[in-house]
Amino acid sequence: SAVISQKPSRDICQRGTSLTIQCQVDSQVTMMFWYRQQPGQSLTLIATANQGSEATYESGFVIDKFPISRPNLTFSTLTVSNMSPEDSSIYLCSVRTGNYGYTFGSGTRLTVV
Amino acid sequence: DAKTTQPPSMDCAEGRAANLPCNHSTISGNEYVYWYRQIHSQGPQYIIHGLKNNETNEMASLIITEDRKSSTLILPHATLRDTAVYYCVSGTDSWGKLQFGAGTQVVVTP
Repeated sequence: SAVISQKPSRDICQRGTSLTIQCQVDSQVTMMFWYRQQPGQSLTLIATANQGSEATYESGFVIDKFPISRPNLTFSTLTVSNMSPEDSSIYLCSVRTGNYGYTFGSGTRLTVV
Repeated sequence: DAKTTQPPSMDCAEGRAANLPCNHSTISGNEYVYWYRQIHSQGPQYIIHGLKNNETNEMASLIITEDRKSSTLILPHATLRDTAVYYCVSGTDSWGKLQFGAGTQVVVTP
């Protein structure tokens, strides 16, 4: 299965600022996915990122708040913009990997103060 | 996308089999059932997945009912390291949109 590296692993940010999370995969993949996991909750898909096209956002998530870049087949970034304490969550990227379903990164634990 | 329903928690004795149920009565014909687990808020770890046939790998077995409305994940010999939140997830194999349920907190006790 693919190996995913996410950076940063955690951060504490001031409200009103933005944080960019990076996701690097050790193989080329067509689709990359970004999830949010709020404290004590399950995972919710934010958007799907395809290389060479705009990301597709799920209901409740907008590009202005969560802009995504996908410059090549091994890399993507998710930015959490104009943060508020309600954005405190774990953010995870994921890719589909052959017979092993979908592989997830270790996540970025974000705390907004 | 199908919604999955799981019990919120269950306990299991070390060395015994753990049977984790999941209901997915609205699953469509092209949606798979995936199982993941998450330990201490790390990234979810893939366990197993299937479409309609029962599946087995080195970690677990997946039993899917004939009508595909429910399934059971079986951990044959639970260890303390199997303590985690287990998610039953539905999704197609091609589009990649996974619908996570609320998960079952499994606690394995000595």
